[in-house]
Amino acid sequence: SQQGEEDPQALSIQEGENATMNCSYKTSINNLQWYRQNSGRGLVHLILIRSNEREKHSGRLRVTLDTSKKSSSLLITASRAADTASYFCATDVLTTDSWGKLQFGAGTQVVVTP
Amino acid sequence: EPEVTQTPSHQVTQMGQEVILRCVPISNHLYFYWYRQILGQKVEFLVSFYNNEISEKSEIFDDQFSVERPDGSNFTLKIRSTKLEDSAMYFCASNRAGGPQETQYFGPGTRLLVL
Repeated sequence: SQQGEEDPQALSIQEGENATMNCSYKTSINNLQWYRQNSGRGLVHLILIRSNEREKHSGRLRVTLDTSKKSSSLLITASRAADTASYFCATDVLTTDSWGKLQFGAGTQVVVTP
Repeated sequence: EPEVTQTPSHQVTQMGQEVILRCVPISNHLYFYWYRQILGQKVEFLVSFYNNEISEKSEIFDDQFSVERPDGSNFTLKIRSTKLEDSAMYFCASNRAGGPQETQYFGPGTRLLVL
């Protein structure tokens, strides 16, 4: 089974609009982290939400987590052209013997046009 | 702000050659990781490392791969005999401690091309 699947695969919006993307996963988690990747570049950490948290904010970012539905959403408000990137969710799967093995989804490609 | 660094940024090698990818994790971090991303595909976990030994490795991390922390600052990934399918972006990551509240910080990656 695949852990951390994002939806939609691609999203095209105008500057100033909000962008929402979702992530679903299959097994219990310690935390869920969202990352951004500009084309061909490194992964920039955006936000971490723990399994006992339901919502977190950071600037224009809002992340929710629903562990009963095994899903998370990332909302970017008032988007800017500079937000154009791929966004990935990564789950730190709950196991008895290790921390930190992140499992990534395929990502949502967001294009923000001026 | 401290960050994970990786060298080189790009490496081109011939099939069968050995490559060593280098990473300098954030200085007070104790857990280290390698991931890879084949072009157009997901980021995949390779290995985690703590207290000078491998904590966990994926099925990708076979005998051709090894990791080492040769000194107090560097963390390396060695591929002994590269194959065409090893071409990918390799990311190093680190975090301060184990635990559900710990963010993993990624380096900028090394793009490896095997010809």
